[in-house]
Amino acid sequence: NAGVTQTPKFRILKIGQSMTLQCTQDMNHNYMYWYRQDPGMGLKLIYYSVGAGITDKGEVPNGYNVSRSTTEDFPLRLELAAPSQTSVYFCASSYPWDRLNTEAFFGQGTRLTVV
Amino acid sequence: AQSVTQLDSQVPVFEEAPVELRCNYSSSVSVYLFWYVQYPNQGLQLLLKYLSGSTLVKGINGFEAEFNKSQTSFHLRKPSVHISDTAEYFCAVSVMDSSYKLIFGSGTRLLVRP
Repeated sequence: NAGVTQTPKFRILKIGQSMTLQCTQDMNHNYMYWYRQDPGMGLKLIYYSVGAGITDKGEVPNGYNVSRSTTEDFPLRLELAAPSQTSVYFCASSYPWDRLNTEAFFGQGTRLTVV
Repeated sequence: AQSVTQLDSQVPVFEEAPVELRCNYSSSVSVYLFWYVQYPNQGLQLLLKYLSGSTLVKGINGFEAEFNKSQTSFHLRKPSVHISDTAEYFCAVSVMDSSYKLIFGSGTRLLVRP
């Protein structure tokens, strides 16, 4: 049972480079989320999706883009990497209508350093 | 808007001692409440959740939390901690709108000493 899988686990980018963080889930969850975690700041929501073809901005969307062409995949795109995007990125998925089992499942994270 | 405050950034405690990690939330609407644990270099794992019903919620690894609506709190407790409980603990509320997104507190690092 894979759950939520993120790739890569680690990445170093140079300023101005671009990359895509991959996220896939095998639980058939409609809802998917991207968070970033900075030391002492908790997790902040970047983007979320309530189903294939539907995405919306979270609290800190600037500098990022997302797409959701399938239920399983929710990639996060950084177009012009900046040092401020150095962070740990977590993807999560959930199925909120099942009240007894509603919870968010998280991937292992991608540690990104922009130099 | 919703917000979550974890009052302690770090809590040191000796092994086998009790511990309480504090969480207060602010919301004008009903919320679901969660505690997640993050071990070093790992993702977040659900400890317990409050959706409705009994205000005392039991979770994994011997943890429990009590929902107090009047004080808007959801403190996490464990009667006797182990070295293996050393981790970062996050309190979160789930927004009851179309997004069901989680709003996290800043986290509390629990450091268990022998």
